[in-house]
Amino acid sequence: RKEVEQDPGPFNVPEGATVAFNCTYSNSASQSFFWYRQDCRKEPKLLMSVYSSGNEDGRFTAQLNRASQYISLLIRDSKLSDSATYLCVVRGTKTSYDKVIFGPGTSLSVIP
Amino acid sequence: DVKVTQSSRYLVKRTGEKVFLECVQDMDHENMFWYRQDPGLGLRLIYFSYDVKMKEKGDIPEGYSVSREKKERFSLILESASTNQTSMYLCASSLSPRDRVAEQYFGPGTRLTVT
Repeated sequence: RKEVEQDPGPFNVPEGATVAFNCTYSNSASQSFFWYRQDCRKEPKLLMSVYSSGNEDGRFTAQLNRASQYISLLIRDSKLSDSATYLCVVRGTKTSYDKVIFGPGTSLSVIP
Repeated sequence: DVKVTQSSRYLVKRTGEKVFLECVQDMDHENMFWYRQDPGLGLRLIYFSYDVKMKEKGDIPEGYSVSREKKERFSLILESASTNQTSMYLCASSLSPRDRVAEQYFGPGTRLTVT
């Protein structure tokens, strides 16, 4: 089983729709969680951190479920500019260094 | 704004050639990383460095080496390029102590093709 798994998609949604992505992780000792966004042919950029209590940033809501070992990203009122690949990132624990693991990404296309 | 630059956007090399990929960051970050990104596999860590002259292997170090002689510069070296090293290579840096992860800032990437 991969350490971090995501549904690759693509998710094709109309403008204005609400879309949700899930990401599962295998290491129950994982400490920190993030969502990065990667536009086509561009580098990844941090979208938001995911806190235990859940957090919201405008149209974006991130949730963490430690019991089931998954995190989610909800995008409301989708815009064309939301089209991108969304990478789930999990920081695990290891004796010698912080291990940061990137998921393979979920592709989103918002269509007019 | 943090800026991470990579020496080339596109590179084509022949099998067996020695390849140097350069990365420079301008924000005095302690940590620097080299990843490769392949479809369906996500970003995989090759090597990272927490300080000058310090390096640690990531998940897929075989066939690669690194050099960090100055804080702002982290080089990835392919000693003898092979076709299975055709990939997108991404450099990143972050400002964090070892026991905490901070936002990683990525360079634009180098698409390397080995023929």
